[in-house]
Amino acid sequence: EDQVTQSPEALRLQEGESSSLNCSYTVSGLRGLFWYRQDPGKGPEFLFTLYSAGEEKEKERLKATLTKKESFLHITAPKPEDSATYLCAVQGVDSGYALNFGKGTSLLVTP
Amino acid sequence: GAVVSQHPSRVICKSGTSVKIECRSLDFQATTMFWYRQFPKQSLMLMATSNEGSKATYEQGVEKDKFLINHASLTLSTLTVTSAHPEDSSFYICSATPRRAGTYNEQFFGPGTRLTVL
Repeated sequence: EDQVTQSPEALRLQEGESSSLNCSYTVSGLRGLFWYRQDPGKGPEFLFTLYSAGEEKEKERLKATLTKKESFLHITAPKPEDSATYLCAVQGVDSGYALNFGKGTSLLVTP
Repeated sequence: GAVVSQHPSRVICKSGTSVKIECRSLDFQATTMFWYRQFPKQSLMLMATSNEGSKATYEQGVEKDKFLINHASLTLSTLTVTSAHPEDSSFYICSATPRRAGTYNEQFFGPGTRLTVL
């Protein structure tokens, strides 16, 4: 059974204080690993898809990396508007394209 | 591109009534649509997968007679919560996978529907 574990559950950063969010996963065969951002009361907003170990993708202050066991979402010099819950999900070859989500990391960036 | 809408955004109903939630892909055709449920402080849990023109596939523990899914076209899926009870109160979110080459495993999410059953 696919499993996704995100850490930490919550993270508080000062504006400009860089950090990383972790997503550990087990899956029989990885089709893709997804990162989403979710604001309170809203649906997830797509950030990245990573397909194979060693792959990296960047978008503004965010950079996602992937190994065979985990993914990191690096946040460089965060701003208060980056405050949100960041969700990691895996799509396994046996899942029929459905996503298996972790519980998320709640990020708060203070001025 | 890749916009998914849901309607209504929030609904309050009495126990025993049925509620229909619509999910539309606005600028693309969706091969597959998914329905998720999210309880407070929890992550998204997959309820069912629907493909246009065929019956939905439900996850273990999800009652197919209670949560009726109709995938009428490549841009519309509906979820009907029948005889809703307070324990069905939750945030329901749909997602859609674009029907285009090379991106078969992308998923784009709607804004969600907050259901409150009194």
